[in-house]
Amino acid sequence: EPEVTQTPSHQVTQMGQEVILRCVPISNHLYFYWYRQILGQKVEFLVSFYNNEISEKSEIFDDQFSVERPDGSNFTLKIRSTKLEDSAMYFCASRRDRGDTGELFFGEGSRLTVL
Amino acid sequence: GNSVTQMEGPVTLSEEAFLTINCTYTATGYPSLFWYVQYPGEGLQLLLKATKADDKGSNKGFEATYRKETTSFHLEKGSVQVSDSAVYFCALKAPGNQFYFGTGTSLTVIP
Repeated sequence: EPEVTQTPSHQVTQMGQEVILRCVPISNHLYFYWYRQILGQKVEFLVSFYNNEISEKSEIFDDQFSVERPDGSNFTLKIRSTKLEDSAMYFCASRRDRGDTGELFFGEGSRLTVL
Repeated sequence: GNSVTQMEGPVTLSEEAFLTINCTYTATGYPSLFWYVQYPGEGLQLLLKATKADDKGSNKGFEATYRKETTSFHLEKGSVQVSDSAVYFCALKAPGNQFYFGTGTSLTVIP
């Protein structure tokens, strides 16, 4: 069964360092998302991506964040200068179509710990 | 705005007990509603969904009914099993591209 894969599963970094989280969405999907969950809090929307550009982003997704689909298969989230409050589980998700009932398929998550 | 509130956990039940996890929402327009489940070490997976008022979603013995009058989508199962131990997330999708999730409710079922 096709699945969304994410790497790394866990990354520890120092404050101020750049981090890139990688995702390989399901191959025939067209819409891609990043969510994050700080421990004990809601799963929060960060950004959605379609047709090689950002379609929506939340207030969390400030200038420190960027997304890219560099090669037609990977979908990356970059945090330029990490802060302590960026420590969270980051989930990548993809969806095939835009319909309101379309299912999101999630990866297992990348846990980011900023020290 | 759009948001989802679900009951806090963790919830611990004995095998064969009845499960209810409450979920209420606020939304603009007419959202679709979902329950996702996350088993240990895995990503979130769709458990069930309902796309309009009074629809009932069901899967693997779980059910939830879209109640517009109470803005709720409570998850129920008549007899839980140890294998149901997981984290359950209520979510909505308003018109547009965004999904909104609750905090998740951890369920542990003991034999």
